Amino acid sequence: AQSVSQHNHHVILSEAASLELGCNYSYGGTVNLFWYVQYPGQHLQLLLKYFSGDPLVKGIKGFEAEFIKSKFSFNLRKPSVQWSDTAEYFCAVNGADKIIFGKGTRLHILP
Amino acid sequence: SQTIHQWPATLVQPVGSPLSLECTVEGTSNPNLYWYRQAAGRGLQLLFYSVGIGQISSEVPQNLSASRPQDRQFILSSKKLLLSDSGFYLCAWKPGQGRDTQYFGPGTRLTVL
Repeated sequence: AQSVSQHNHHVILSEAASLELGCNYSYGGTVNLFWYVQYPGQHLQLLLKYFSGDPLVKGIKGFEAEFIKSKFSFNLRKPSVQWSDTAEYFCAVNGADKIIFGKGTRLHILP
Repeated sequence: SQTIHQWPATLVQPVGSPLSLECTVEGTSNPNLYWYRQAAGRGLQLLFYSVGIGQISSEVPQNLSASRPQDRQFILSSKKLLLSDSGFYLCAWKPGQGRDTQYFGPGTRLTVL
């Protein structure tokens, strides 16, 4: 069965710190992987996605994620976070008809 | 461009009352449609999805049901709400039946008292 595991439920960082949010997935077929972000009071929106090709994917606002097939991982990274990155982040894996989400990571950036 | 609408934005209902939440998508045809419930610490729980009119797949047995009376309309219903139905309900769509990005609506905050 498809599943997504996000290891960090709540992360607190200071501005300019580096960020890495862990995501592992379980899926038996070809995977498409996503990171979504939900800023306070806003819609859930796509941050970046991996479908094929270069396993290092760059998204909006300086975020990137690396697909490591051997580790079933798709970790999200940003070298220097800003206060405006405070949000909830969801990793997701896409099967044929539906997308399965992880439980989310709440990121709080201290100014 | 495509847009997705949900209403109402907020709803307060007594226990035992019925529920109807509506979601519509504009600017696309034959989308896949989804209902999720978002709860703190539990992430996004997929409730129902539909790949076409009248076709509903249920992911979690519960007090809710879904219907798709038109191509771009997806309705979440309940005959009798429970306290545990409180939460934030999100509708989403994605193009066709292939592997693609999902796009989310603004959500409905439901409080059952």
